Amino acid sequence: TQLLEQSPQFLSIQEGENLTVYCNSSSVFSSLQWYRQEPGEGPVLLVTVVTGGEVKKLKRLTFQFGDARKDSSLHITAAQPGDTGLYLCALTNTGNQFYFGTGTSLTVIP
Amino acid sequence: NAGVTQTPKFRILKIGQSMTLQCTQDMNHNYMYWYRQDPGMGLKLIYYSVGAGITDKGEVPNGYNVSRSTTEDFPLRLELAAPSQTSVYFCASSSGRGGYTFGSGTRLTVV
Repeated sequence: TQLLEQSPQFLSIQEGENLTVYCNSSSVFSSLQWYRQEPGEGPVLLVTVVTGGEVKKLKRLTFQFGDARKDSSLHITAAQPGDTGLYLCALTNTGNQFYFGTGTSLTVIP
Repeated sequence: NAGVTQTPKFRILKIGQSMTLQCTQDMNHNYMYWYRQDPGMGLKLIYYSVGAGITDKGEVPNGYNVSRSTTEDFPLRLELAAPSQTSVYFCASSSGRGGYTFGSGTRLTVV
């Protein structure tokens, strides 16, 4: 079983601040995804990465993947209240069955 | 664009009762999944299916059953509800080459 840890578990920041959340695995993975989940809804896919060292940007969100393919980070620039939610990372080695971390709960205060 | 539809959204069951959580997708995805989400525990895989007629156990299958008679539908059955099954249940589907599309969840309370 993959061990997947996310940190911090909770994060509360002021609007306009920057933040970084982390996802670490006990072993190498072939593919990793980041999701955002809002209260009362299912997770929504943000990005998928498959290459070690890869960096992907999605507007104010920057996703970085470790060269060893065991860790990942999500950086948000100038956070907005709409960024509030639970950020989940998920990894797979089979390509079609993902294991999820426990998530980082982000609150952006106006 | 419906995506993944789950019903019901909320349900209260008494211990020992049974129920079926419905899940249907209109994207012609082969892969479908059932997860449960408990506070601080993340999403745990209950069962999954790689195509019609094929199902397999995930991390936490005890107390649940599934079937996949069509590509579109993947119902989850609870035969004898227990308080430990109080959770939020999510169904998801995938084409196998990208991310999951999740439903909006079913919040189940067993009392």
